[in-house]
Amino acid sequence: GAVVSQHPSRVICKSGTSVKIECRSLDFQATTMFWYRQFPKQSLMLMATSNEGSKATYEQGVEKDKFLINHASLTLSTLTVTSAHPEDSSFYICSARDLSKAYEQYFGPGTRLTVT
Amino acid sequence: TQLLEQSPQFLSIQEGENLTVYCNSSSVFSSLQWYRQEPGEGPVLLVTVVTGGEVKKLKRLTFQFGDARKDSSLHITAAQPGDTGLYLCAGAADEDDMRFGAGTRLTVKP
Repeated sequence: GAVVSQHPSRVICKSGTSVKIECRSLDFQATTMFWYRQFPKQSLMLMATSNEGSKATYEQGVEKDKFLINHASLTLSTLTVTSAHPEDSSFYICSARDLSKAYEQYFGPGTRLTVT
Repeated sequence: TQLLEQSPQFLSIQEGENLTVYCNSSSVFSSLQWYRQEPGEGPVLLVTVVTGGEVKKLKRLTFQFGDARKDSSLHITAAQPGDTGLYLCAGAADEDDMRFGAGTRLTVKP
């Protein structure tokens, strides 16, 4: 099956610093990647849709200047949380759509961000 | 933005029992996926349904897509403790607009 990796799996940072999370599709090409946020015991909330070579589309209420998304290639998207605050602490999950399987998305293992 | 309602939100059953999880919406979906997520991990795709009335089976799991493509169900037969997890349905009206239901947290007690 399709594999999506995320790095790092866990990160602890101080308030005010920036953190970059990488999402890679390992064995397939993905023109579209998605970034989700999940709070404890809640479902996934879509933050933004990332298309290779173009600007990301952000969901309502998600600050584009705070959550910078770059989708530089068909296998890599990055999410940078800028000037992180404790309320940004969450589980961030990316997913990628396989070009050959338009309907299916495959998820990364997630990144646990803790801002102190 | 379509709204997906999942029920029940929590379900605790004994090993060997059967259960059904429902995913309903007022919107029509071009496709619907079911995922299973364990704590601290990303969701794992179980199945994708795209045709109204479609039924797919995955061992003890049976997935059905409603005729009108607005709802879906997941039925587990003879549940086992290993089935414990968060089950999520996700629907897409088009390729770039997939939304998740709130999830059903299943606990199967031995």
